[in-house]
Amino acid sequence: TQLLEQSPQFLSIQEGENLTVYCNSSSVFSSLQWYRQEPGEGPVLLVTVVTGGEVKKLKRLTFQFGDARKDSSLHITAAQTGDTGLYLCAGHHGSGNTGKLIFGQGTTLQVKP
Amino acid sequence: GAGVSQTPSNKVTEKGKYVELRCDPISGHTALYWYRQSLGQGPEFLIYFQGTGAADDSGLPNDRFFAVRPEGSVSTLKIQRTERGDSAVYLCASSLTQGQQRFFGQGTRLTVV
Repeated sequence: TQLLEQSPQFLSIQEGENLTVYCNSSSVFSSLQWYRQEPGEGPVLLVTVVTGGEVKKLKRLTFQFGDARKDSSLHITAAQTGDTGLYLCAGHHGSGNTGKLIFGQGTTLQVKP
Repeated sequence: GAGVSQTPSNKVTEKGKYVELRCDPISGHTALYWYRQSLGQGPEFLIYFQGTGAADDSGLPNDRFFAVRPEGSVSTLKIQRTERGDSAVYLCASSLTQGQQRFFGQGTRLTVV
C-alpha cells in the first residue's frame, strides 16, 4: 500500500502566525495535489505540483514538491481565520495517467482570532 | 449542472439493508470517481469510471459494493447487506477527462445503525 503521511494531524494557531504542513511517502509520485475541505463539503483543489523541487505560490500559501518527488509541504504565511479547514495532500503514482488518487489522512487546521 | 450533485445528502439505514447512493457529475465530464471518507481521515479511493466502464475498481472493499454508470453520466453506488463499518461519507467527483481537475460533490453521509 502506497501511503501518504501528513503531519501534524491537528494544528491550532492564532491568527497571524505562520505554519507548515508536511506530506511524506516512501514512494515516488508522478504528481501531487493539495486540497482544502470544509465541513459538509467535498475537497477543493488548491494546487498540483509535478516537477521535483517545484515551488508554487497561491497568495499566502506556498507549496513545494520534494526533489525526489516523495514529499511535499504547504506553508501558510500570516494565517487567517478563513484558512480554517482540513488540508489534504493526494498523489498519483506511475505515469499519472490513472484515476486512482491516493489521499493522506489530512491535517485539521484551526485558526483562532 | 453547475457542480457535482450527490443524493441523498444523508442516509440512515439498518444493518443488513441495501442502499443506493447517486451521483450526478458535471455535464460533459467523462471521468467519474467514488471515494469513501471516514471521520478524521482522508478520502479512500473506491472506483473510477471512464465513460460507462469501470476503469479501476480496485478500491471496492468487497463484493457487497458495486457501482454502475450505464449511460456515462449519472452513477449509482450500491451497497448490499450494509454493516456498521460501512458508515462514512461517500464522495463522488468528476473530471472532464481522466487526468484533469477533479470536482467533488458534497458527499452522502451514510449511517448504518
